[in-house]
Amino acid sequence: QQPVQSPQAVILREGEDAVINCSSSKALYSVHWYRQKHGEAPVFLMILLKGGEQKGHDKISASFNEKKQQSSLYLTASQLSYSGTYFCGTEYRGATNKLIFGTGTLLAVQP
Amino acid sequence: DVKVTQSSRYLVKRTGEKVFLECVQDMDHENMFWYRQDPGLGLRLIYFSYDVKMKEKGDIPEGYSVSREKKERFSLILESASTNQTSMYLCASSGTGLAGGPYEQYFGPGTRLTVT
Repeated sequence: QQPVQSPQAVILREGEDAVINCSSSKALYSVHWYRQKHGEAPVFLMILLKGGEQKGHDKISASFNEKKQQSSLYLTASQLSYSGTYFCGTEYRGATNKLIFGTGTLLAVQP
Repeated sequence: DVKVTQSSRYLVKRTGEKVFLECVQDMDHENMFWYRQDPGLGLRLIYFSYDVKMKEKGDIPEGYSVSREKKERFSLILESASTNQTSMYLCASSGTGLAGGPYEQYFGPGTRLTVT
């Protein structure tokens, strides 16, 4: 089953914050986050492997709540370059090496 | 830098034609993947391969087959193209982590296939 991402789309002004959520109905082994800019290939942001783990990448960070089977991506003080579609990819025990991607969240950052 | 290349950026084929999409990676990755991307549906896994000549079905394998004769090359085959296979096709590759799970996936630029 595809993980559910929310919101589907969000519009921000530069400097504002956003949170993108990714929820699964099955127990997660890991969560991956990718960003795809318009007309380009998806690019890896980060992997979260352990429950409760938080990772950061500049002003983009993520958390992984194993109990709730969900992950959240935090974008703080957004920049124009953050615009794009964000995908979470979920990996399940017993089916490692295989990611199931969500439907994506379109983020538009305006000046 | 990891490089994943796909044979064509744009392809137009007729219904019923056999279509080959080629993907090559240069990082000696064990795992290779084929996805299709459609608006509102995200990235859906068609097939993946974790070793030469090994393959597993993804979520939407119907109408597709794959071939992996060499480690660096993974081909997607549409046996008889249909209009509902018009889509963006993305290839990706990854290594394998210590725990057996994948490292990050590196994507190719995609092939936009139109079947008329």
